[in-house]
Amino acid sequence: SQTIHQWPATLVQPVGSPLSLECTVEGTSNPNLYWYRQAAGRGLQLLFYSVGIGQISSEVPQNLSASRPQDRQFILSSKKLLLSDSGFYLCAWSVWQGSRAAETQYFGPGTRLLVL
Amino acid sequence: AQKITQTQPGMFVQEKEAVTLDCTYDTSDPSYGLFWYKQPSSGEMIFLIYQGSYDQQNATEGRYSLNFQKARKSANLVISASQLGDSAMYFCAMREGSGYSTLTFGKGTMLLVSP
Repeated sequence: SQTIHQWPATLVQPVGSPLSLECTVEGTSNPNLYWYRQAAGRGLQLLFYSVGIGQISSEVPQNLSASRPQDRQFILSSKKLLLSDSGFYLCAWSVWQGSRAAETQYFGPGTRLLVL
Repeated sequence: AQKITQTQPGMFVQEKEAVTLDCTYDTSDPSYGLFWYKQPSSGEMIFLIYQGSYDQQNATEGRYSLNFQKARKSANLVISASQLGDSAMYFCAMREGSGYSTLTFGKGTMLLVSP
């Protein structure tokens, strides 16, 4: 069965410090991978998605970046964190189901980031 | 324009009762998928149920069923026999089938189940 891991679970970082959040998926090949952010009490905002190694699409311009160095690894980074980067970051995976509309996304446990 | 609308910020239900969480959507794409997710206080988004736009039958998964009314563009989640563990935030989401599209989420409904 497929599993998705995220770490760290919680992170407190000062403003201006770098960030690296990691997401890995097990039990599937060539998944589509996604990074979302959820601000407190709000819905999910798609940040990045990737359909393959080295292929990253950005949904929202910001000081974050994403990379996919391996098939089942997705990394979210920042060179200098802002206060507004605080939130809950969720990684998700999906696989082609023959129809884009039917492609279910499965989420990891998330990382809570607090920038002070 | 907002594609997914969840008009109930919060819902209360007693244990063992059924509850309906509302979701309306907006799309001109004939092919789309509708999804419901549960987010407990731990934060993880848990996939509950999927309904395709061409599906003739309403989707069901255990105690969850999706009341799909295509003409009204509504996809309400029905939870039967509520349990205390059902207390969580519930999100409706949609993905269109054609062209470039991503999963679009509603703002969610907080469900509280009381003993």
